[in-house]
Amino acid sequence: DAGVTQSPTHLIKTRGQQVTLRCSPKSGHDTVSWYQQALGQGPQFIFQYYEEEERQRGNFPDRFSGHQFPNYSSELNVNALLLGDSALYLCASTLVGATNEKLFFGSGTQLSVL
Amino acid sequence: AQTVTQSQPEMSVQEAETVTLSCTYDTSESDYYLFWYKQPPSRQMILVIRQEAYKQQNATENRFSVNFQKAAKSFSLKISDSQLGDAAMYFCAYRRFLLNNAGNMLTFGGGTRLMVKP
Repeated sequence: DAGVTQSPTHLIKTRGQQVTLRCSPKSGHDTVSWYQQALGQGPQFIFQYYEEEERQRGNFPDRFSGHQFPNYSSELNVNALLLGDSALYLCASTLVGATNEKLFFGSGTQLSVL
Repeated sequence: AQTVTQSQPEMSVQEAETVTLSCTYDTSESDYYLFWYKQPPSRQMILVIRQEAYKQQNATENRFSVNFQKAAKSFSLKISDSQLGDAAMYFCAYRRFLLNNAGNMLTFGGGTRLMVKP
């Protein structure tokens, strides 16, 4: 059973560019959340997708947007990249309504903005 | 808004000994969940232990146990018989209680780096 998979593992972009990160949830999961983890800090919640809609959003600007597909996979898009967007982006999945529901994380995409 | 604070940036323990990592949090809610996650160099966040706020009994998972003090808003992690594989970043996290678990946003602390000496 594959866990949460993210692609690519590493990415280098230039300031002002746009980037798309991808996430496939653990088999059987229907909800995907995205977190940003800056170097030396704890992850910060970006947003969550359930039933192809954004359900909850953290304190991130509109440059951060996402999408969830019918197969529950998700994309995170960041426009007009800033140097401060350099971070590890983590995807997590879960099954809404499951008893003792747990959040499973992927290994992340390391984004470097030059 | 909820906040989670880990006041120990780094901790060190001798192999086979016991170490305690500290965490405090701030919330006005009475029902919530608390977690400890481990992040090894592979970067994947791994759930270590989970505590429901309505349960007075402290959670345990093999060598890992917590000391949950609800009134003090304190949630420490004790690792017994430390092993080299325990070396990692440890994050304390908070989540609100929601009936259908939707909106399961986690609020993380800043982390504690645990080093294990052979």
